Amino acid sequence: GENVEQHPSTLSVQEGDSAVIKCTYSDSASNYFPWYKQELGKGPQLIIDIRSNVGEKKDQRIAVTLNKTAKHFSLHITETQPEDSAVYFCAAGKSGGSYIPTFGRGTSLIVHP
Amino acid sequence: NAGVTQTPKFRVLKTGQSMTLLCAQDMNHEYMYWYRQDPGMGLRLIHYSVGEGTTAKGEVPDGYNVSRLKKQNFLLGLESAAPSQTSVYFCASMDRPNTEAFFGQGTRLTVV
Repeated sequence: GENVEQHPSTLSVQEGDSAVIKCTYSDSASNYFPWYKQELGKGPQLIIDIRSNVGEKKDQRIAVTLNKTAKHFSLHITETQPEDSAVYFCAAGKSGGSYIPTFGRGTSLIVHP
Repeated sequence: NAGVTQTPKFRVLKTGQSMTLLCAQDMNHEYMYWYRQDPGMGLRLIHYSVGEGTTAKGEVPDGYNVSRLKKQNFLLGLESAAPSQTSVYFCASMDRPNTEAFFGQGTRLTVV
């Protein structure tokens, strides 16, 4: 089955800095890569996703890049703010059969004011 | 829009007791999932369902059972709770493959 590795497990930055979280996946057939943000005491929420036919996607201060050859994808957050502090999960999935998204272990992002 | 609702939000059980966690979604989604979240372990899939009347095992199914008698509800049962089942449980639903998963607010379960 799919295996998703996520790094780092903890990331501490100063407000205004950029943050980058990286994930690798094992199944070359995976074609959908969402990122979720989990705030304290809440369930994860989708913040951005990318499909395998696209190399990069941006939404205001966040962006995701995908390298299919190397089988890795990254989340980039620019101009970080204290409200960006949360746990971020990457995931990978593929079409067909019983759809089971596989999640990374999460990155705890701390943005210091 | 309620989305995905989990009941209860908190529960303390004694070892050996049983309980059922309820997940209800009002989006007419086919796919539903139960995850547990433990520190440093991320989200681990317990059981999932690809439609009404179907269930399948995930990564960590032992000690749990599930049922999907109605499309909008996905029940997770613990027959004989163990301290190792102390965790935060999340339910999620999805309309179709490769789309957004919607999560509930979680159930914090402590087994003493």
